[in-house]
Parts: sequence; C-alpha cells; structure tokens
Amino acid sequence: DAGVIQSPRHEVTEMGQEVTLRCKPISGHNSLFWYRQTMMRGLELLIYFNNNVPIDDSGMPEDRFSAKMPNASFSTLKIQPSEPRDSAVYFCASSSRDGNEKLFFGSGTQLSVL
Amino acid sequence: AQSVTQLGSHVSVSEGALVLLRCNYSSSVPPYLFWYVQYPNQGLQLLLKYTTGATLVKGINGFEAEFKKSETSFHLTKPSAHMSDAAEYFCAVVGTGFQKLVFGTGTRLLVSP
Repeated sequence: DAGVIQSPRHEVTEMGQEVTLRCKPISGHNSLFWYRQTMMRGLELLIYFNNNVPIDDSGMPEDRFSAKMPNASFSTLKIQPSEPRDSAVYFCASSSRDGNEKLFFGSGTQLSVL
Repeated sequence: AQSVTQLGSHVSVSEGALVLLRCNYSSSVPPYLFWYVQYPNQGLQLLLKYTTGATLVKGINGFEAEFKKSETSFHLTKPSAHMSDAAEYFCAVVGTGFQKLVFGTGTRLLVSP
C-alpha cells in the first residue's frame, strides 16, 4: 500500500489567495483526520471524518477553513482567503476505525502564505 | 476532556544512554495512550499504544512504556539510545469510545555521539 498520500508537498502562495490541500487515505480506512502543526501550537486536530461524514470540526480555526470528503478515497482542506498566520505543516491521517486505532500519517503539506 | 502533558520540550542524551521521555495524562474515563515519533520532514509514526491489559507495552525500535494509573503517567523509555532515535516524540490520549486523539506538545530527543 502506498500509504496516505498528500499533495502538494509544498505550497507557497500570497495572502488572499485560495489554497487547496489534498489527501488520499489508505484504501479501506474509514476515518480521516486533518491536523495542523506549528511551532507555537504544536499538533492541532482541525477536523475528522468517519465514513465520509464530518464528526467534529471544532478545531477548524474559522470560516476561512473548510474540508470535504466527497468519497472514501479523497479529501480536501481549503483555505479561502489565506493569511500569513495560516503558514504551517498540514497533515492528513487515516485509520481503520477511529482515534482509538493506529493513525497513519501522510508526509504533510508545508504551506507558506506570504 | 482528555489531555496529556509532556515534560521537557528537549531531552539530550549520549549514544548508549538511557532514554526517558515523560508523559502525564488527564482523563475522566479509562484512557487509551499512544506514543508517536516524527522524523524530520515526515509524518508521525506509531511507536506503541496502551489500551487494556498488560501495563508495560513494548513498541518498535526497542522502545517501551509503562501505564501507571496511580501516577497518571505513561513515560517512554529505551535502555540504550541510538543516533537514529533523534526525532520528536509525541504522547497522545483518547478516551474509550469514538473520541478524537489529543496530542501533547512533543519532546525533541537529541542524541550525541
């Protein structure tokens, strides 16, 4: 299995632009998680899905952030408009059941908003 | 709500020395506890986890952790550090049932020759 695949690996954009991060979970996994990692806040859970349904989005910073999971093999995290404080590494992770099971992380997307 | 506290943002050891990374948890229900490792420019990988049963849990790369309910601790240890162990280590907790995994702030392990 190729593992959790995230794209792009790096994204540099200007303030105000729309950013879309993509994630392909491991086949057969039914839970998907989006995390954000920064030096100041560490690893924060933004949102997680179970069977393509958003279960908890309380970690989403504000309305500029949105996430979708149209099917079991694809998810997006969108920031519109982006701001410099959104600069971080965004990780996608999947598991076969829920947070009680082993999470498999992607390699992350390094986002820089100038 | 569950939470974990990792004591020490950085820990430095010499190669061959004992590794001890501390984690204390707070949970109103029996917790599931995890240790993850993050190597530079990579995502997190599971080292080990405790759910129920034996309180001493062995993981990959020679690491182990002991669940101590009386101390609300889940410290990670390795008898002899290797240079390749240099990484950031995260403790995490989730309560029973379908709840989100909560990570600590991480401890960076530095290993010197």
